[in-house]
Amino acid sequence: QKEVEQNSGPLSVPEGAIASLNCTYSDRGSQSFFWYRQYSGKSPELIMFIYSNGDKEDGRFTAQLNKASQYVSLLIRDSQPSDSATYLCAVNYGGSQGNLIFGKGTKLSVKP
Amino acid sequence: DGGITQSPKYLFRKEGQNVTLSCEQNLNHDAMYWYRQDPGQGLRLIYYSQIVNDFQKGDIAEGYSVSREKKESFPLTVTSAQKNPTAFYLCASTTGGNTGELFFGEGSRLTVL
Repeated sequence: QKEVEQNSGPLSVPEGAIASLNCTYSDRGSQSFFWYRQYSGKSPELIMFIYSNGDKEDGRFTAQLNKASQYVSLLIRDSQPSDSATYLCAVNYGGSQGNLIFGKGTKLSVKP
Repeated sequence: DGGITQSPKYLFRKEGQNVTLSCEQNLNHDAMYWYRQDPGQGLRLIYYSQIVNDFQKGDIAEGYSVSREKKESFPLTVTSAQKNPTAFYLCASTTGGNTGELFFGEGSRLTVL
């Protein structure tokens, strides 16, 4: 059973702080990793994707991948109240493109 | 503008009724997907289709049916055999390229009365 695990939260951080969201996955054959943001009642939207070990930065967002530890994280710098949402980690185990296994998500709350 | 259109956005159904959720995309994507989301849960795959006239069961296909007669369209029928159909249903598509990025519709919220 392929699994993606996330802390459900809620994770509460003050405005301007760094929010750190973590995700572990069960299968070493995993090839690509995605972070989606989902506002309440809305559909998910892609924030970042990463394939290779190390860091990938895009504006205030940094994705980190450690395949040896089967661990992927998302850092949000200078957190804003508009970042308050649920963040879904998704893993493609190498099957059909787009056939992702999703974690249950971590709810982030950024306090002004 | 290109995108994925789901309808209806909200749907109420009596027990024992079948309902069909529409999903149309104009992104020229080959692959389309249906996911179900329950409160506090991640997305679970119901069905997916990589080409016209072909589709595959996902993890929770029981009580659901789909068709893929056109590249642009992938409707989902929630049948009376689905024991707990109240959920948020999301349609998605992808190019099948290297990124594997899923593009989502706005979702359909089904409530069984």
